[in-house]
Amino acid sequence: DAGVIQSPRHEVTEMGQEVTLRCKPISGHNSLFWYRQTMMRGLELLIYFNNNVPIDDSGMPEDRFSAKMPNASFSTLKIQPSEPRDSAVYFCASRDRGLGELFFGEGSRLTVL
Amino acid sequence: AQKITQTQPGMFVQEKEAVTLDCTYDTSDQSYGLFWYKQPSSGEMIFLIYQGSYDEQNATEGRYSLNFQKARKSANLVISASQLGDSAMYFCAGNSGGSNYKLTFGKGTLLTVNP
Repeated sequence: DAGVIQSPRHEVTEMGQEVTLRCKPISGHNSLFWYRQTMMRGLELLIYFNNNVPIDDSGMPEDRFSAKMPNASFSTLKIQPSEPRDSAVYFCASRDRGLGELFFGEGSRLTVL
Repeated sequence: AQKITQTQPGMFVQEKEAVTLDCTYDTSDQSYGLFWYKQPSSGEMIFLIYQGSYDEQNATEGRYSLNFQKARKSANLVISASQLGDSAMYFCAGNSGGSNYKLTFGKGTLLTVNP
């Protein structure tokens, strides 16, 4: 079975540009998570969907960040406009039940110049 | 909400020896889960082991075992017979029903296995 698929794996962009990160969760999983990892702040939960509905977006840094899950097999995380402090690795993860483990994608490394 | 604390930024162990990585958690929920993940230098997050709050036995998965002490709210990871490939960042994580089962991570412990 395919794991969680993220794209792009690497993105380099200039400050002010729009960035869209994509995620395809494991088929049959009903929860999807977006995390951001930096050296300074570790792994931070940005937003969490259950059955395509956002359950907790308290970790979304500011209005420049938005996330959607239009269907069970696709989610996007958008940053507009991007800033250098958004540089990080963004992980998407999915899960099939409440207390189950998360399965992570390989991450999208974002560099904003 | 679940709060996870890892107090060891880095640990060293000799190859073939056992090592314990510390993790404490803080939740008022009765139902919760505790997890350990490994992140090698290549960056992927690898699930290692899970312990449920109602599990009576400590979880084990091959060379990994979780030393679960509920009264102390600790969930330490024990790696037996360390191998060079165990050198990585290790994250403890937890979730609970009261926090909508969102998974919260500790800051991580960087383990280095010496030959």
